[in-house]
Amino acid sequence: GESVGLHLPTLSVQEGDNSIINCAYSNSASDYFIWYKQESGKGPQFIIDIRSNMDKRQGQRVTVLLNKTVKHLSLQIAATQPGDSAVYFCAETGVMTTDSWGKLQFGAGTQVVVTP
Amino acid sequence: DSGVTQTPKHLITATGQRVTLRCSPRSGDLSVYWYQQSLDQGLQFLIQYYNGEERAKGNILERFSAQQFPDLHSELNLSSLELGDSALYFCASSAGPQGGELFFGEGSRLTVL
Repeated sequence: GESVGLHLPTLSVQEGDNSIINCAYSNSASDYFIWYKQESGKGPQFIIDIRSNMDKRQGQRVTVLLNKTVKHLSLQIAATQPGDSAVYFCAETGVMTTDSWGKLQFGAGTQVVVTP
Repeated sequence: DSGVTQTPKHLITATGQRVTLRCSPRSGDLSVYWYQQSLDQGLQFLIQYYNGEERAKGNILERFSAQQFPDLHSELNLSSLELGDSALYFCASSAGPQGGELFFGEGSRLTVL
């Protein structure tokens, strides 16, 4: 597969454990945040999103937490599986306008490695 | 499979040349987005089209241009290529103009020698 970055922070997790991936965002006025997963050789894949008027949102095995006070976003993955090995990106839209939803500002990414 | 198709998957060319990358969005999606992913800059938004019209612009160089055709496929044209243009170029699509969940293709890997 193809590498998406040479100097990404790496999180090593044992299979079955919970993972927490952190992200600091820059724009305090951002309205909308998304987590994407990118497997080697593939495009980013949507995981979960959250609006700025929420502080927590749950999906299937994933939870996103938003702390606007410190401009921090986290993604929790429950019972991490080998298929969760990928690069995870947080993204923000800035202040939402009719033009901004797809204009995502991506973070640098975190490489998650799941070990058996 | 996201339903977004990008061609070519790999492209090697020389500095000064021009290339065209093609994207077919998911069936029914009217918005197409182009992103550039490089090792030093990460994922950068370039441009968005909605139903044939330019909708939003990011850090797209003047040497780059894009368009969306009546059949909704899109092309990204990169000209006067430089070594620094070597990157993965992703196309994404969404149903409406306001993004939300974007569906990304598998990318076109451009190498400029």
